[in-house]
Amino acid sequence: DIQMTQSPSSLPASLGDRVTITCRASQDIGNYLRWFQQKPGKSPRLMIYGATNLAAGVPSRFSGSRSGSDYSLTISSLESEDMADYYCLQSKESPFTFGSGTKLEIK
Amino acid sequence: QVTLKESGPGILQPSQTLSLTCSFSGFSLSTYGMCVGWIRQSSGKGLEWLANIWWNDDKYYNPSLKNRLTISKDTSNNQAFLKITNMDTADTATYYCARNAGAYWGQGTLVTVSS
Repeated sequence: DIQMTQSPSSLPASLGDRVTITCRASQDIGNYLRWFQQKPGKSPRLMIYGATNLAAGVPSRFSGSRSGSDYSLTISSLESEDMADYYCLQSKESPFTFGSGTKLEIK
Repeated sequence: QVTLKESGPGILQPSQTLSLTCSFSGFSLSTYGMCVGWIRQSSGKGLEWLANIWWNDDKYYNPSLKNRLTISKDTSNNQAFLKITNMDTADTATYYCARNAGAYWGQGTLVTVSS
């Protein structure tokens, strides 16, 4: 099975900061990588699909990139509404697998 | 408009079998490429993908739980199902269903295992 190693587990940051979260895939997943945002008590929300494509309604300060087996989610200028948990997901092979999550919090 | 909604027993006892239903609208699970998955999340923990079922009835399970999981669908009634046998307190979680690798999610249903 494909393992997704996500880092960091916690990311203290200030409003306006540029932040990056990374997932590394244990096998080739091509661009079958998605990023989700989850706020307390809510269902996850798709942010990025196909590694680099912004989902509908997602602010343009969010972006996704890929370098080999490393996938990154970047927020260019952090806003208060971005404080949440973030998860990557590989959908190359079933069953799909999530990264362990990153808690983005105010420093 | 795509919607999904999970339903379950709320609470059950250890060793019992959990039966979950995902009722959806706005798409058909008989359409090529469609997939419904089940995901769970224990309180304060991460997301765990449990199982997928595809439009062609292909089924895939998380290896760590494979022997306990059964996923199925009723295409005519726009429902997908998940059964988990031999439930334990460690299986207490919010259970979600989602379409196509998380493009759309249900609101989740909390399942508590307690004696």
